[in-house]
Amino acid sequence: QSALTQPRSVSGSPGQSVTISCTGTSSDVGGYNYVSWYQQHPGKAPKLMIYDVSKRPSGVPDRFSGSKSGNTASLTISGLQAEDEADYYCCSYAGSLPVFGGGTKLTVL
Amino acid sequence: EVQLVQSGAEVKKPGESLRISCKGSGYSFTSYWISWVRQMPGKGLEWMGRIDPSDSYTNYSPSFQGHVTISADKSISTAYLQWSSLKASDTAMYYCASTEGGTNWFDPWGQGTLVTVSS
Repeated sequence: QSALTQPRSVSGSPGQSVTISCTGTSSDVGGYNYVSWYQQHPGKAPKLMIYDVSKRPSGVPDRFSGSKSGNTASLTISGLQAEDEADYYCCSYAGSLPVFGGGTKLTVL
Repeated sequence: EVQLVQSGAEVKKPGESLRISCKGSGYSFTSYWISWVRQMPGKGLEWMGRIDPSDSYTNYSPSFQGHVTISADKSISTAYLQWSSLKASDTAMYYCASTEGGTNWFDPWGQGTLVTVSS
């Protein structure tokens, strides 16, 4: 079970859109519609932002959206706000066990 | 409100044993799997393993199998993560997180327990 591949960092200005990718294989991301995304602010616990590739839990702004194509899942944040600056992690199931991505630091310029 | 509350920070010496806890409230404890996730200083999230509190069935990541033990006491709605002999490399923040039966995401998460292992 290898960690999913995410870019180390992305950045964007307030109001812009950014996309964070999460690349796996046909045994994890590509094989299941079970990708979830988590936001983690410094010193805080992770928070669920997207589940089952593209579904948003109640309370998560609709600026956050998820998608998947082949072995790569993506998290898009539109209308960037200062409070979106955080680390983001993807997670997928590989067989019956979950695996996380390495994490992406989002900087709001 | 579904909530997970973890035990407090621990400072231990190499070779010592430790058990940290995660108490669930606001829901049927046996309806949610509890996973443990490690975050080493400045690093990412690593899934360690999980337990079904209804029958104490466990799965472990190959990376953690044999190094830790996950257990649960459903009578007090509490899951545990245990080490028999700590190493300095076990220094990390440990989170518990719940997964409702039949789903594949983690929500909610506990607040985290910082474990420091130092001589």
